Amino acid sequence: EAGVTQFPSHSVIEKGQTVTLRCDPISGHDNLYWYRRVMGKEIKFLLHFVKESKQDESGMPNNRFLAERTGGTYSTLKVQPAELEDSGVYFCASSKLAGPTGELFFGEGSRLTVL
Amino acid sequence: AQSVTQLDSQVPVFEEAPVELRCNYSSSVSVYLFWYVQYPNQGLQLLLKYLSGSTLVKGINGFEAEFNKSQTSFHLRKPSVHISDTAEYFCAVVSSNTGKLIFGQGTTLQVKP
Repeated sequence: EAGVTQFPSHSVIEKGQTVTLRCDPISGHDNLYWYRRVMGKEIKFLLHFVKESKQDESGMPNNRFLAERTGGTYSTLKVQPAELEDSGVYFCASSKLAGPTGELFFGEGSRLTVL
Repeated sequence: AQSVTQLDSQVPVFEEAPVELRCNYSSSVSVYLFWYVQYPNQGLQLLLKYLSGSTLVKGINGFEAEFNKSQTSFHLRKPSVHISDTAEYFCAVVSSNTGKLIFGQGTTLQVKP
């Protein structure tokens, strides 16, 4: 069974440009999460999808970030326009069940560098 | 609000020595506790979790952790480490009232030959 896959693994862009990160969850997992780790800091929650609906987007830093999950399968996270402070590693995770009993399976992360 | 503190950012240790990675949390509600590991160039992988019941939890790769409610701690231990245990380890909590994972800052375990 394929795990959570994320693309690209590394993206280098200039301030003001746009980047779109993609996450393919494990098949059958309705719950999809985005997390971010800014260098030297802890991993922080961004948002949670249940199928195609945003269950919780309280962690999204500002309106330059747009997450979508059309059809309830893969998800994209777009940053437009990117700023220097957006640099970090963006993790996607999926689970069959929500809440503490649902084990999260993480992807390898997409490293974003904004110059 | 819930928070997690990992007291050591880096822990160097020799192969076959015991190790303890410390984790403390703060919360006014019930929590569920987790340890994740990230090996180089890989995603986060669940090592073990405490949801309820026995306070001593055993995980994969010979790791175990003990939930101590009075000290609000969930330290991770292994009696004898291997080179392959070199990785970054994250302690995390899930609050029963938000359902979100809250991570600590991470501890890099460096196992030396």
